[in-house]
Amino acid sequence: DAKTTQPPSMDCAEGRAANLPCNHSTISGNEYVYWYRQIHSQGPQYIIHGLKNNETNEMASLIITEDRKSSTLILPHATLRDTAVYYCIVRANTGFQKLVFGTGTRLLVSP
Amino acid sequence: DTAVSQTPKYLVTQMGNDKSIKCEQNLGHDTMYWYKQDSKKFLKIMFSYNNKELIINETVPNRFSPKSPDKAHLNLHINSLELGDSAVYFCASSHSIIAGGPSSYEQYFGPGTRLTVT
Repeated sequence: DAKTTQPPSMDCAEGRAANLPCNHSTISGNEYVYWYRQIHSQGPQYIIHGLKNNETNEMASLIITEDRKSSTLILPHATLRDTAVYYCIVRANTGFQKLVFGTGTRLLVSP
Repeated sequence: DTAVSQTPKYLVTQMGNDKSIKCEQNLGHDTMYWYKQDSKKFLKIMFSYNNKELIINETVPNRFSPKSPDKAHLNLHINSLELGDSAVYFCASSHSIIAGGPSSYEQYFGPGTRLTVT
């Protein structure tokens, strides 16, 4: 399974865009990039996933580089409620595979 | 409506006791999971059931026994509780992990059960 690397922490001002990077240089062709977040004292929350095209939903945008070796999760207008640990996970969509949560990036959104 | 619910939210008990945590999902999903998050915040999968059948069974002590009476419910029973069992336990569900596809990794988590063993 491809390994992911994320910065341990990031800060963002409220109302600004939060850009969370993830490196997955060993990703293989059939592996998707998934993003989850965990707000303090809550269960993890699915955000978005993508294979090679950029994706956008009501929560965030996912930008995947052309070589697929890295990606960026973008929260366009961060709010205080976006303070959380963000996990980037790479999984193939075959077999009985499990999600493996790393240490993630702790995003702190400040007023 | 709560998509994935767990009871109880908090559980404080003494070593050696037996306890159960219940989970229910109303999303119509086929696959359910139990995760454990320890004091260092590492989140690890313990079990996965697909339509009442055990699919994933990580290296978990035999004292932990999951039971799925139907595909909407997955309970976790723990025998002879130990101090090291203190953690937050999360239930989750998703579309069928058997069928595969990227949607099987869109997992929906419950609010967690904080278990404290004294």
